[in-house]
Amino acid sequence: GENVEQHPSTLSVQEGDSAVIKCTYSDSASNYFPWYKQELGKRPQLIIDIRSNVGEKKDQRIAVTLNKTAKHFSLHITETQPEDSAVYFCAASRGGSQGNLIFGKGTKLSVKP
Amino acid sequence: DGGITQSPKYLFRKEGQNVTLSCEQNLNHDAMYWYRQDPGQGLRLIYYSQIVNDFQKGDIAEGYSVSREKKESFPLTVTSAQKNPTAFYLCASSATGGGTEAFFGQGTRLTVV
Repeated sequence: GENVEQHPSTLSVQEGDSAVIKCTYSDSASNYFPWYKQELGKRPQLIIDIRSNVGEKKDQRIAVTLNKTAKHFSLHITETQPEDSAVYFCAASRGGSQGNLIFGKGTKLSVKP
Repeated sequence: DGGITQSPKYLFRKEGQNVTLSCEQNLNHDAMYWYRQDPGQGLRLIYYSQIVNDFQKGDIAEGYSVSREKKESFPLTVTSAQKNPTAFYLCASSATGGGTEAFFGQGTRLTVV
């Protein structure tokens, strides 16, 4: 079946460093790729998303890149801050249904001051 | 806050009992979803509904049931047939026909006692 692989499962960086999280997907029909940030016990919150007709998207310190040929996409956080510490999930749409998402297993990011 | 409300936040159930989790949205979204989250796992899709009076099984539907009698509401029943129901349950909604994110409720933590 369709799946999304996410790496690494844990990531520890020093404040000010960059963090990169990578995901691969299997469903060729996926056309929407969101990234969610989840703090402990809270709901996932969308931080950035990208659609299949775009290769890269930036929003301040956050960027996402997409390689459709290789079926992988990545989240880049620059100048990390302690408040960036959380679990980050990538997801891929199941075909054209943008809310019907297949999630990766998450990356726990720790930013050390 | 987000326009999608889950209740209750915490729920305790005795083994052998059915329990219903509430999800209500005022975002006028056609599509609604239920996900289950376990520690160290991503979000797994239980059921989804793209339109009133219609719903589809997700990846882990066994032991669960849903209804979609109103656009605003998508309750999830965890039945006694679900062997390992203790988890964090998240409801989400999205517009269909393309272009918006999935919004999540704040979640219900279900514990079997």
